[in-house]
Amino acid sequence: EDQVTQSPEALRLQEGESSSLNCSYTVSGLRGLFWYRQDPGKGPEFLFTLYSAGEEKEKERLKATLTKKESFLHITAPKPEDSATYLCAVQTHYSGAGSYQLTFGKGTKLSVIP
Amino acid sequence: DTGVSQDPRHKITKRGQNVTFRCDPISEHNRLYWYRQTLGQGPEFLTYFQNEAQLEKSRLLSDRFSAERPKGSFSTLEIQRTEQGDSAMYLCASSGGTSLYTGELFFGEGSRLTVL
Repeated sequence: EDQVTQSPEALRLQEGESSSLNCSYTVSGLRGLFWYRQDPGKGPEFLFTLYSAGEEKEKERLKATLTKKESFLHITAPKPEDSATYLCAVQTHYSGAGSYQLTFGKGTKLSVIP
Repeated sequence: DTGVSQDPRHKITKRGQNVTFRCDPISEHNRLYWYRQTLGQGPEFLTYFQNEAQLEKSRLLSDRFSAERPKGSFSTLEIQRTEQGDSAMYLCASSGGTSLYTGELFFGEGSRLTVL
């Protein structure tokens, strides 16, 4: 069974204090790993797709990286508006049941204090 | 607004009643998904449509749950004989493009269900 574990569960940062969120996964054939951002009371918003180990994607203050067992979301000099829950999800290669679904982790709740 | 639209945003019902949620995806998207999210958890997959065909359904999905997507446009998710454990946010998402395995989903704001 596919498993996605995110850590820490919650993270408080001072504005400008860089840090990283972790997503470790156990799957039978990774097709893609995805990062989403979710604000309270809203649906998740897509951030990044990573397909292979060594791949990196960047967007403003966020950078996502991927290894064979985990992904990191690095946040550089965060601002209060970066406060949200960050979700990691995986999609697997195998055909049949499970081909189209994403398996999400529980998320990391990030709070950036001014 | 050309995003994914869900209705109603909030629904309070008594145990045993039936409820129905509607989702209008982004118009050019042929794939539509339903997920369920409870407090402190990530979204959990329920079902998937490609056009009007329901291609995948979670094995965790009780037979009290049924989803349709007539004519490949909007979709409805019905829960019959609701139970308190059904209380959750029901999220609809859509995606398009030619790749079969895209994980870039566009989510709606969700329909929050409270079962008393």
